[in-house]
Amino acid sequence: GENVEQHPSTLSVQEGDSAVIKCTYSDSASNYFPWYKQELGKRPQLIIDIRSNVGEKKDQRIAVTLNKTAKHFSLHITETQPEDSAVYFCAAPNFGNEKLTFGTGTRLTIIP
Amino acid sequence: NAGVTQTPKFQVLKTGQSMTLQCAQDMNHEYMSWYRQDPGMGLRLIHYSVGAGITDQGEVPNGYNVSRSTTEDFPLRLLSAAPSQTSVYFCASSSGYTRTEAFFGQGTRLTVV
Repeated sequence: GENVEQHPSTLSVQEGDSAVIKCTYSDSASNYFPWYKQELGKRPQLIIDIRSNVGEKKDQRIAVTLNKTAKHFSLHITETQPEDSAVYFCAAPNFGNEKLTFGTGTRLTIIP
Repeated sequence: NAGVTQTPKFQVLKTGQSMTLQCAQDMNHEYMSWYRQDPGMGLRLIHYSVGAGITDQGEVPNGYNVSRSTTEDFPLRLLSAAPSQTSVYFCASSSGYTRTEAFFGQGTRLTVV
């Protein structure tokens, strides 16, 4: 099955700086890579996703990059703001079944 | 449009008791799933379903049962609660199985004493 590793587990950045979270996956057939944001006490919500036919996708201050050769994808948040403080999860689907495997999460804290 | 609705939001059980967590979605999604969230362990898949009448095990299925008699509902049953099942449970649904956005319910915080 798919193995998804996420780093770092915690990250603190100064407001206005950039944050980068990285995930690696094991199944070379995986073709969809979403990122979810979970604010304290709330449900996870999709913030951005990328499919394997592109290498980068941007949405305002958020971007995701994908390196299929190295089997890793990263979340980039620029010009961080206090409302970016949350736990972020990456995920990847298993090939051959319909299981979605999540990373263990990164707690991002934005320091004012 | 309510999305994914989970009940209850909070529950305390005694060891050995059974209960059912309810999950319903009104988006006509074929794919539904249950996850548990524990500190430092992310979201772990318990069971999932690709359509009415079809269910399969996820990563941590022991101690849990599911059924999918309709497209809308996907209840999770704890057969005999154990302290190790203390967790936050999330139900989710998506239109394109695991390759499209998953919509999560608001979660159920379960404590087994």
